[in-house]
Amino acid sequence: EDKVVQSPLSLVVHEGDTVTLNCSYEVTNFRSLLWYKQEKKAPTFLFMLTSSGIEKKSGRLSSILDKKELFSILNITATQTGDSAIYLCAVEAVQESGTYKYIFGTGTRLKVLA
Amino acid sequence: DGGITQSPKYLFRKEGQNVTLSCEQNLNHDAMYWYRQDPGQGLRLIYYSQIVNDFQKGDIAEGYSVSREKKESFPLTVTSAQKNPTAFYLCASSIYLGGGQPQHFGDGTRLSIL
Repeated sequence: EDKVVQSPLSLVVHEGDTVTLNCSYEVTNFRSLLWYKQEKKAPTFLFMLTSSGIEKKSGRLSSILDKKELFSILNITATQTGDSAIYLCAVEAVQESGTYKYIFGTGTRLKVLA
Repeated sequence: DGGITQSPKYLFRKEGQNVTLSCEQNLNHDAMYWYRQDPGQGLRLIYYSQIVNDFQKGDIAEGYSVSREKKESFPLTVTSAQKNPTAFYLCASSIYLGGGQPQHFGDGTRLSIL
């Protein structure tokens, strides 16, 4: 069965700290891995990763994928209180029918204290 | 601004009652999805639709029904057969299904049982 596991489940840090969020997966017919940030309501898209070893970066956030070891990390440097959110990892996979599906992890709840 | 609109934001259901959650998008996306989010769990796929007049069951379709009569609209009905409907429901869309496209999410509907 396809699964996506995120760790830690929750994390509390102070402003200025650097955090690393993990996402490991066991998925047949992997196509891409996506990171989303969910503050109160709608998850918003952060990154999509398809190739190993190529870092995607946006401001203080960066992410990288390792397709050999089947995991991705999301790094946030110099954290701010506005980074407090649930970070969701999703893997896009091709099903036997030829259609695609997204498998989501449980999310990591990050709280940044002032 | 283009986006996804879900309504209502909060919904209460009595025992034995069917309720319908609305999802409208003006992004001109072909694919639409319904997810359920419970505390401590990831997003679980209820139904998805690749194109108008077509939809497929996701992982937890029992007790739910959908229709896709218009490209812009993908309403979800929670029937009385769904015994544990209390959850946060998210609607999403993507340009099309597959091809490594990120999903765009609505703000969600929180459904509670009276």
